[in-house]
Amino acid sequence: GENVEQHPSTLSVQEGDSAVIKCTYSDSASNYFPWYKQELGKRPQLIIDIRSNVGEKKDQRIAVTLNKTAKHFSLHITETQPEDSAVYFCAAIQGAQKLVFGQGTRLTINP
Amino acid sequence: NAGVTQTPKFQVLKTGQSMTLQCAQDMNHNSMYWYRQDPGMGLRLIYYSASEGTTDKGEVPNGYNVSRLNKREFSLRLESAAPSQTSVYFCAIPEPRGDTQYFGPGTRLTVL
Repeated sequence: GENVEQHPSTLSVQEGDSAVIKCTYSDSASNYFPWYKQELGKRPQLIIDIRSNVGEKKDQRIAVTLNKTAKHFSLHITETQPEDSAVYFCAAIQGAQKLVFGQGTRLTINP
Repeated sequence: NAGVTQTPKFQVLKTGQSMTLQCAQDMNHNSMYWYRQDPGMGLRLIYYSASEGTTDKGEVPNGYNVSRLNKREFSLRLESAAPSQTSVYFCAIPEPRGDTQYFGPGTRLTVL
């Protein structure tokens, strides 16, 4: 089955700087990769996704890149703000829309 | 937010007790899912239901049973709770904005 590895487990950046979170996956058949943001005590919420036929996708300050050959994908947050502080999860979709999650990255934005 | 509701929000059990976590959706989706989230780990799929009356095992089904008696509701039952089942449980339905899932508010369960 699919296995998703996520790094780093914690990340601290200065406000205004960029943050990058990386994930690798094992199953070359996976073709859809969502990213979730989870604030303390709340549900995970979808922030961006990418399909395997696309190399990059942007949404304002957030972007995701995908390298199918290397089987890794990354989340990039630019001009970070305090409200970006949260835990971020990458995931890959297996059959029947079953999500396989990475372990999560706790992002802290320092003012 | 409307879409997915879960009850209860919090629960404390003693080892060996049983309980049922309830999930209900008002989006008329065929698919529903149960995940658990443990500290330092991502969410892991327990069971899912592709349609009313059908259920299938996910990654970590041991110790749980599920029931999908109608399209709206998907329940998760712990017959004999164990401390290892202390976790936050999320129900999910298909996400309208993509081919992924939208999560309910969660149930925080502690087993002593």
